[in-house]
Amino acid sequence: EAGVAQSPRYKIIEKRQSVAFWCNPISGHATLYWYQQILGQGPKLLIQFQNNGVVDDSQLPKDRFSAERLKGVDSTLKIQPAKLEDSAVYLCASSLDGILGETQYFGPGTRLLVL
Amino acid sequence: AQSVSQHNHHVILSEAASLELGCNYSYGGTVNLFWYVQYPGQHLQLLLKYFSGDPLVKGIKGFEAEFIKSKFSFNLRKPSVQWSDTAEYFCAVKRGVSGGYQKVTFGTGTKLQVIP
Repeated sequence: EAGVAQSPRYKIIEKRQSVAFWCNPISGHATLYWYQQILGQGPKLLIQFQNNGVVDDSQLPKDRFSAERLKGVDSTLKIQPAKLEDSAVYLCASSLDGILGETQYFGPGTRLLVL
Repeated sequence: AQSVSQHNHHVILSEAASLELGCNYSYGGTVNLFWYVQYPGQHLQLLLKYFSGDPLVKGIKGFEAEFIKSKFSFNLRKPSVQWSDTAEYFCAVKRGVSGGYQKVTFGTGTKLQVIP
């Protein structure tokens, strides 16, 4: 089966610019996750969707980050405006139902550099 | 604060040496435990997971992990490492939270370097 797709793979922007990332999960997966992985740290969950509804966005900096999953399939994550500290790899993952015991499958990530 | 701790940030071993990477968590209640691996230039991928039953879990490539509930630990082991095991290893804990959904928290990762 096809894996989780993400684009772009790399992005360089200047601070205060906007950027958007796209994720297409594995077909049939109801749960979609966006993580931020800063160099030297583990992935930090930004937002979790169950179909097109948000179940957890407690660690999403809502003043500058937004995400949507309008049709319950693919998703976009936006940063507006970007700050230097947003430089990180943004990982998208999906799982079948989000239930306990289930495996998440990760995409290749988008590496963002904010100058 | 509730967390997932990986105390070894960088481990260097010679080929054929035995490996043990520590993972401790501080959540009560039912948890699922995972080890993910990220080889250089590749995605995060699942190495093994504990859901229920036998606390000794076997994964891919000869890895295993033991869930010790009383110690809140899920240490990763391999009796004899190979150069190809050079990667970053992440422990993750999944638990139920209010609202009925599941939340995943990752540790900070351990970089393993295996010297031929």
